[in-house]
This record gives sequence, C-alpha cells and structure tokens, in this order.
Amino acid sequence: QVQVVQSGAEVKKPGASVKVSCKASGYSLTTYGITWVRQAPGQGLEWLGWISAHNNTEYAQNLQGRVSMTTDTSTNTAYMELRSLRSDDTAMYYCAREFGWGFDSWGLGTLVTVSS
Amino acid sequence: QTVVTQEPSFSVSPGGTVTLTCGLSSGSVSTSNYPSWYQQTPGQAPRTLIYSTNSRSSGVPDRFSGSILGNKAALTITGALAEDESDYYCVLRVTRGIRVFGGGTKLTVL
Repeated sequence: QVQVVQSGAEVKKPGASVKVSCKASGYSLTTYGITWVRQAPGQGLEWLGWISAHNNTEYAQNLQGRVSMTTDTSTNTAYMELRSLRSDDTAMYYCAREFGWGFDSWGLGTLVTVSS
Repeated sequence: QTVVTQEPSFSVSPGGTVTLTCGLSSGSVSTSNYPSWYQQTPGQAPRTLIYSTNSRSSGVPDRFSGSILGNKAALTITGALAEDESDYYCVLRVTRGIRVFGGGTKLTVL
C-alpha cells in the first residue's frame, strides 16, 4: 500500500542545517510529487513547498533561499533541507504525497528541535 | 501575502450538521483553488478528508462532504459523531503550485 516513512528526530543548534528524509513505498516519486508541511508547537499547519514528479520545486515565500527539496529516484526517497536554522524553526515536519492538488498518505512526522 | 481564513472554533451537537468554511483574503474561492480539507487530532499526523473541492479521500465516511458555498470552500459534516471532535484545516492553491493553509478550526462536539 501507499506509505511514506520519515527519518527520526533531530536536534540542531541555531545556524546549522537539517535534512529530513521521506521514503515512499507503494508508488514511484516519478509519478507523484511530495509536499512538505510543518507544525510549530501549539500552532497550525504551514505549507513549506513541494517537488513534482518531474523534479520541479516551489517553495513558500517566507522560506525562499533557506529550503531545498530533492528526490533520489534510485531509493524512492524525498529530502527537505532547511538551512540557517532558528529557534522558530522548531516544529514537527511532515511529508505527504501530492494528490489532486491536495495531499494524501502523510508521514508520521519528524520533530526538529533548534536549541543552543 | 495571501491569507486563507477559517473560523477559529465551532461547536456542534452529536448527530447535528456543521459547515466549516475556508475563504481567501484576495477574493472568492473557486474550484481552480482546488480546496482540500484535513482533520488532525492532538499528537497525530493530519488525515486527508477531501481533495479537489469535493472528492473524498479513500476510507473517509460519507458524512464528510466538500463544496463551494458562495465565495468560500466548505466542509460539511452531517450527523456529527463524538470522534469528529478535532482540528480541521483547509488548503487552497493560490498560484501555480503554491498552497496556503488556513489557520484551522477547532471543532467541539457536545
């Protein structure tokens, strides 16, 4: 069945980078894109960006220049890298399959904590 | 900066019907915004309910339905159950592939 499995929790210092992975199974990343969403503690969901099945990317305006989304088709894995981390980047990060300009098959989330 | 608006909170009685809405600061919502809806309970990943305005995701009960009502997208729950008490988020495609989440609606069933 369609599933995405995310990498484990990360603790980073301010100014560092983090790279979260999202391994897809039951379908190919060359057929469906992946979107990335985050949720700060006690806050709502925030769309970060997406990578299409054709490797085109679009990012939320407030993250332009700090975020990169890539895929490795040999392992059917998507990656989201966030650079120059700040304390307000502390959040649960989710990946989900793109479907009908919405999202389905969500990962369980990866907690990224930014703390000195 | 485009803002997607949702009611912060809503209440419904068990068995009742409730309609949550999703608007755009810049104008009307249409099917071209491909509204989608997600349910989230505390500590859990979101669950997809509706995509492309009114298509139910696999396994979603038919008491959940999506539509365009006036100039907003809408999620209607008909015959609410206690288990529907959750946060509900809408997403709109605002330009090209850029999506924006609404602030979410906390639904209480009592």
